[in-house]
Amino acid sequence: GNSVTQMEGPVTLSEEAFLTINCTYTATGYPSLFWYVQYPGEGLQLLLKATKADDKGSNKGFEATYRKETTSFHLEKGSVQVSDSAVYFCVQGGDKLIFGTGTRLQVFP
Amino acid sequence: NAGVMQNPRHLVRRRGQEARLRCSPMKGHSHVYWYRQLPEEGLKFMVYLQKENIIDESGMPKERFSAEFPKEGPSILRIQQVVRGDSAAYFCASSETSGSSYEQYFGPGTRLTVT
Repeated sequence: GNSVTQMEGPVTLSEEAFLTINCTYTATGYPSLFWYVQYPGEGLQLLLKATKADDKGSNKGFEATYRKETTSFHLEKGSVQVSDSAVYFCVQGGDKLIFGTGTRLQVFP
Repeated sequence: NAGVMQNPRHLVRRRGQEARLRCSPMKGHSHVYWYRQLPEEGLKFMVYLQKENIIDESGMPKERFSAEFPKEGPSILRIQQVVRGDSAAYFCASSETSGSSYEQYFGPGTRLTVT
């Protein structure tokens, strides 16, 4: 069946470091892919999305490219901030969203 | 435009009691979804509803759990005779329409604790 696998956390970085969170998926067809972010004690917010192969989603300095060849949707940011500390979920679209297990990012000053 | 609203934000129930979780979708949204998040895990789909109809309940436990989305009023997720394993965060989401490319907007969640 369809699934999403993302790298385990926590990921601990210093401010201004480069961030990569790996995400791969298995799917029948070509679903949309999303990254959602969950700040402590809050609900989920959409960070970015891509609806078809080779699309690049971007928002707030974060980017992810929908790679059909490698079935991946890795999240990247060139320079993280303390305020980026949160849990990041890679998600496969559809009526039933399919979530990865989440990756906790901790950024220290 | 108010976002998805859920109440209560925190709910404590003793084993055997009933829990009722409410969700009001965003204005103009007629599709509602419920997800459950166990500690340190991702969200798992439970049920998808449109007004007065359950579209997909494949993620709902067969017993004790039910959901509705009446013509008027919020969507309700009901858990009867709660057990400790029901302790989790329950998130509601809504969307304007269905389909892979459409974003679901999430509420802040209800954190259920069963003592």
